[in-house]
This record gives sequence, C-alpha cells and structure tokens, in this order.
Amino acid sequence: DAKTTQPPSMDCAEGRAANLPCNHSTISGNEYVYWYRQIHSQGPQYIIHGLKNNETNEMASLIITEDRKSSTLILPHATLRDTAVYYCIVSGDLKTSYDKVIFGPGTSLSVIP
Amino acid sequence: NAGVTQTPKFQVLKTGQSMTLQCAQDMNHNSMYWYRQDPGMGLRLIYYSASEGTTDKGEVPNGYNVSRLNKREFSLRLESAAPSQTSVYFCATNPWESYGYTFGSGTRLTVV
Repeated sequence: DAKTTQPPSMDCAEGRAANLPCNHSTISGNEYVYWYRQIHSQGPQYIIHGLKNNETNEMASLIITEDRKSSTLILPHATLRDTAVYYCIVSGDLKTSYDKVIFGPGTSLSVIP
Repeated sequence: NAGVTQTPKFQVLKTGQSMTLQCAQDMNHNSMYWYRQDPGMGLRLIYYSASEGTTDKGEVPNGYNVSRLNKREFSLRLESAAPSQTSVYFCATNPWESYGYTFGSGTRLTVV
C-alpha cells in the first residue's frame, strides 16, 4: 500500500503558484519524500526529493514539515504544460538500496488559463 | 537521444499468446524496473533488477517473467497472455548515484 495520502484533484490558475500537499504520517527516519509527475500518458518524470530540509531545483520547491509527517510541492508559476498527475512517494534512500518506489493514485493538477 | 527505449509501443494479443516487451537504456544505469499502469490508477511494480545478473519480484509478478540480458537490457515476458494483463507497461532505470528514476514512454498492451 502507498504510504502517502494526496487529494485526488486540484485546480490552479495559470501563472499562480501551485501548492500540492501530501501526508505521510508513518514516514520513518531514513525514508525520503520523492515527487514525480506524469503528463497525459507519458512515463512519469522525476521532479524533486528531500529528507528533512526544504529543497529547490529548477522545476519546483519541496517544503517538508518539521515533524516530517507532511510535505508540499510548490510549482512557483504554473503553466498549462504543468497539467499532470503528481505523485508523492515515500521510500528509502535509492542511492544505497533497491527499495521499490510505490506509486499511489496521485493528484491530478489542472492548470486553468 | 539518451534515455530508456521501450519496444513495441503498441501491441494487441489474443488470450494465450506470448510476447516479450523490450527495454533498453543507454545511460549506464545499474538498476532497472518494470511497472504496469491500469486506467486511472498509479503504477505497480512487477519486477526489478538491482544490477546485471539479478532480478527480484515486485508487487504483482504473477504471469510475468523477466531477463536482465546485460546492463543495458531488461525484458518482460508474458508466457500466456490474459485479458487482466491489458495495461500500459513502463520500464524505468536508476543509476544509484542520483535519486531520480528515468522512465520509458511505455508499451500499450491489449489482450483480447
């Protein structure tokens, strides 16, 4: 079973920030939070990951609460091309283990013109 | 372009037929994975290979076999296709050194 809970769908106005929440109350100390997205029927695309500190890259920012039980993916200026299903995943350190990545149903984000 | 290549992109099989889905990567990644995605659902892991010469079962391995032919190639075989195996199949790789999986574009399989 997926270890995360996400809202099934969200809307966001084009040009505004999209804030996608994720609950992972059973996360353990050595597990990371990963975010992927899947545009239409393409293969999923890795976005960002983090352990306990906030992270930012060219695609998005990841905010993890201090107790690590929830996180938020932020797309700072959503465009129509950001319309996709976004998956929040909790898993072990993929650098040192082969922990399988379990995808739940995700959040379907619609960016509206 | 560098990445993960899956063949074929589309396939229709009759119940009981067999086929092999091919996956090849040119990124020198160590681990490779096979997922299936049913309509409106997330991805489910079928099999994975942590490195050349090793394979392990995922969540839904029944009805499938895999072969890690070499570091580049990881194939998925359906020995006797069933309608329940109608799905989109994705291959993915991971290099160990970084944390992001790279996925192929998928094989859309219909079993009638």
